[in-house]
Amino acid sequence: AQSVTQPDIHITVSEGASLELRCNYSYGATPYLFWYVQSPGQGLQLLLKYFSGDTLVQGIKGFEAEFKRSQSSFNLRKPSVHWSDAAEYFCAVAITDSNYQLIWGAGTKLIIKP
Amino acid sequence: NAGVTQTPKFQVLKTGQSMTLQCAQDMNHNSMYWYRQDPGMGLRLIYYSASEGTTDKGEVPNGYNVSRLNKREFSLRLESAAPSQTSVYFCASSVGGETQYFGPGTRLLVL
Repeated sequence: AQSVTQPDIHITVSEGASLELRCNYSYGATPYLFWYVQSPGQGLQLLLKYFSGDTLVQGIKGFEAEFKRSQSSFNLRKPSVHWSDAAEYFCAVAITDSNYQLIWGAGTKLIIKP
Repeated sequence: NAGVTQTPKFQVLKTGQSMTLQCAQDMNHNSMYWYRQDPGMGLRLIYYSASEGTTDKGEVPNGYNVSRLNKREFSLRLESAAPSQTSVYFCASSVGGETQYFGPGTRLLVL
C-alpha cells in the first residue's frame, strides 16, 4: 500500500542554521511528490513539487528538495532558516492511477530557536 | 482572484445536528477535494470530485455526503454530527489532479 513517512514529529533549529526535513514514501510507480507548509491556523501552501526531470527542485521561500529514487526519499532543505519558517511541513505523494489522490505524511513541526 | 474559499470558518454543533460546509473556487479547476485534519494524522481524504457531476469516496467517507453543485462549488454535509467529527476541514482544488490548492479551513467542534 502507498504511504508517506515523516519520521520527525518535531524539529528544533536555531535561527540561521540549516534545515533538513525527512520524507520517505512507498509507491510502486514513478511518484509525483510534494511539500506543503502550514502556518498556525492557516491553510496549506505548496512549497515545491517533483514530477520528473532534475531530481533537485527549487521552491518558494528558499526551500529545495531532492528526489532520491534509490532511497525512496524526498527530503526538504533550507540553508538558513528564519523565524518566519516556524510552521508545520507536510510531504505528500500523488497516486497517478487514482485521479492523483494525495497520500500525506503526518507532518513535521518546525520550531525555531532565537 | 480569491482562490479557494470556505464557509464557515468556525462552527460548534451539538451531537446529532446537521450542517453543510461550503467550498468554492474561482480558478476554473476541474477537480475538488474535501479533507479532514486531525493532530498527528496529517490530512485524510473524505471525498473528491474529479470533474463536475462526479464524486468518489476517499479514505474516510463514513458520516459525510458531498455535492458537486457546479464546477465552482463542492459542499460537504454532516447529516448527524458526532464528536468524532470534531476536526479541521479543508477543501482543495486542482486543474487535473496534480497540484492541489487549499482553502483556509473550517474548524468544527461537535459537543
